[in-house]
Amino acid sequence: DAGVIQSPRHEVTEMGQEVTLRCKPISGHNSLFWYRQTMMRGLELLIYFNNNVPIDDSGMPEDRFSAKMPNASFSTLKIQPSEPRDSAVYFCASSFSGQGNGYTFGSGTRLTVV
Amino acid sequence: GESVGLHLPTLSVQEGDNSIINCAYSNSASDYFIWYKQESGKGPQFIIDIRSNMDKRQGQRVTVLLNKTVKHLSLQIAATQPGDSAVYFCAEVSSNTGKLIFGQGTTLQVKP
Repeated sequence: DAGVIQSPRHEVTEMGQEVTLRCKPISGHNSLFWYRQTMMRGLELLIYFNNNVPIDDSGMPEDRFSAKMPNASFSTLKIQPSEPRDSAVYFCASSFSGQGNGYTFGSGTRLTVV
Repeated sequence: GESVGLHLPTLSVQEGDNSIINCAYSNSASDYFIWYKQESGKGPQFIIDIRSNMDKRQGQRVTVLLNKTVKHLSLQIAATQPGDSAVYFCAEVSSNTGKLIFGQGTTLQVKP
């Protein structure tokens, strides 16, 4: 298995532009998590899905952020419009019902908003 | 609210020595804990986990201790190597919510 795949690896965009981050979870995993990592706040859970359904989006900072999981093999995190303070590394992780060492992380997307 | 915090932001050890990284958690409902290692430019990597019905679990060169009385976790790394240099995070899972919540992180520096 190739693990959790995120794209793009790096994204530089201008303030006000729409940004879409993508994630392909591990096949067979039924939970998917989006995290944001910054020096100030560490790893913050933004939203997570179980069986493609959003379970908890309380970590989503603002209405500018939205996430979807149209099927078991794909999820997107969208920021519209983007702001410089959104600059961070965004990680996607997947697991099978949160058991054992199934919380596997992708390599992340480094987002820079200028 | 839920929070998981680390006592020491940076730990510096000599190669070959043992390392101990500590973590405090506040949610008594958490029943599953994980230690992750994160190297520069990479995502968190699973090291070892422990369930709340255990107080100790050993892996290869790593041991996790759980003290539920004081809500404390520790990660022990035996014979620390330069390749162990990274940021280490503890994380907790609440069976009530299914959310994986991370602590602040500790930087481990291994001196040759």
